[in-house]
Amino acid sequence: GDSVTQMEGPVTLSEEAFLTINCTYTATGYPSLFWYVQYPGEGLQLLLKATKADDKGSNKGFEATYRKETTSFHLEKGSVQVSDSAVYFCALSDSGPTARQLTFGSGTQLTVLP
Amino acid sequence: DAGVIQSPRHEVTEMGQEVTLRCKPISGHNSLFWYRQTMMRGLELLIYFNNNVPIDDSGMPEDRFSAKMPNASFSTLKIQPSEPRDSAVYFCASSLASGGFPGELFFGEGSRLTVL
Repeated sequence: GDSVTQMEGPVTLSEEAFLTINCTYTATGYPSLFWYVQYPGEGLQLLLKATKADDKGSNKGFEATYRKETTSFHLEKGSVQVSDSAVYFCALSDSGPTARQLTFGSGTQLTVLP
Repeated sequence: DAGVIQSPRHEVTEMGQEVTLRCKPISGHNSLFWYRQTMMRGLELLIYFNNNVPIDDSGMPEDRFSAKMPNASFSTLKIQPSEPRDSAVYFCASSLASGGFPGELFFGEGSRLTVL
């Protein structure tokens, strides 16, 4: 079945540091890939997505590129801020008639220190 | 625009009591999901509905859990009887699924359940 493997956390960085959170996946077919973010006390919200190979999703300075050859969708940001402290979830959805749900990774806690 | 609305935000109850969590999805969305989040098990899909019909309830832990969606604008998740191990944050999410694509999930703020 489909699965998503994320980098183990927690990750602690200083403000303005470079961020990478690794995500690899296993899926049949041609999945769409997502990053969701959960701020403290809130529900998850979509950060970015990519629907086909080589697509790059981007939002709020975050980027991730859909790499089919390495089955990866790593999240990056060039300069993190304290306000980026949150839990980040990588997710995928397969395509086709049965694609009605997302498969989430375990989440990576990011803390950014001033 | 109103997002996904969940109630109650917090619930503290004693073991053996019935708990009902409620969700109002975004108007026009045709898929609704119930998730449970704990430190130990992370984010788990319990059940999801498409056009008010339960599609997959394989994630429901046991018979103590039940979910209903009587109409497109309301869903409940019920636990009876509740146990301490049910303590978690329960999230409802909705999406507009079309053309074989599940759509972006919009999550509510969650209901934090504590069973003493």
